[in-house]
Amino acid sequence: GQQLNQSPQSMFIQEGEDVSMNCTSSSIFNTWLWYKQDPGEGPVLLIALYKAGELTSNGRLTAQFGITRKDSFLNISASIPSDVGIYFCAGRSNDYKLSFGAGTTVTVRA
Amino acid sequence: GAVVSQHPSWVICKSGTSVKIECRSLDFQATTMFWYRQFPKQSLMLMATSNEGSKATYEQGVEKDKFLINHASLTLSTLTVTSAHPEDSSFYICSARDSGWTGTFGSGTRLTVV
Repeated sequence: GQQLNQSPQSMFIQEGEDVSMNCTSSSIFNTWLWYKQDPGEGPVLLIALYKAGELTSNGRLTAQFGITRKDSFLNISASIPSDVGIYFCAGRSNDYKLSFGAGTTVTVRA
Repeated sequence: GAVVSQHPSWVICKSGTSVKIECRSLDFQATTMFWYRQFPKQSLMLMATSNEGSKATYEQGVEKDKFLINHASLTLSTLTVTSAHPEDSSFYICSARDSGWTGTFGSGTRLTVV
């Protein structure tokens, strides 16, 4: 599958700050997903978006499915130390295959 | 919720030997499982789609004779890396699809070929 354009590649943030990252694609997806991956572990699903324009929250996380169906963003509010990790966006096509972004590495300064 | 178990979590093998990795759906039936490979500091790349009772379909550039996939039951898919070489060292991750597709992944297998 294709690789999505995810940015930023990495970020250092102060505890308590908000975090934003986004993904764009040249192709349309019917589902956008956001995952967090800790070292040596598989990715864990954070938020799934199923409709263009959809805005969904999960605790301090908020994600939106772009209207064009070619982009999505993830916001993390009031970051805490356990937010450290690598965040991946993924687009799901009709055959249920996932295409992943390159990942955003988040490091929180205490 | 859907749980996917992957075993082993890590394995070290000698060059030229074969290694089998198991992916199990614990509380649901999975007609389709996906196998991904992830190199250090890189993203996940889909290797193949495993369909219960039929042949797996491989992504472009993935050698089907090297990465053998068997999906003999609705809860188990296996990936066998045959005649492993150091360049096959990677993190292998499976994902299983249930009826609602919750995007659940296994915990991954770290393969090191020496």
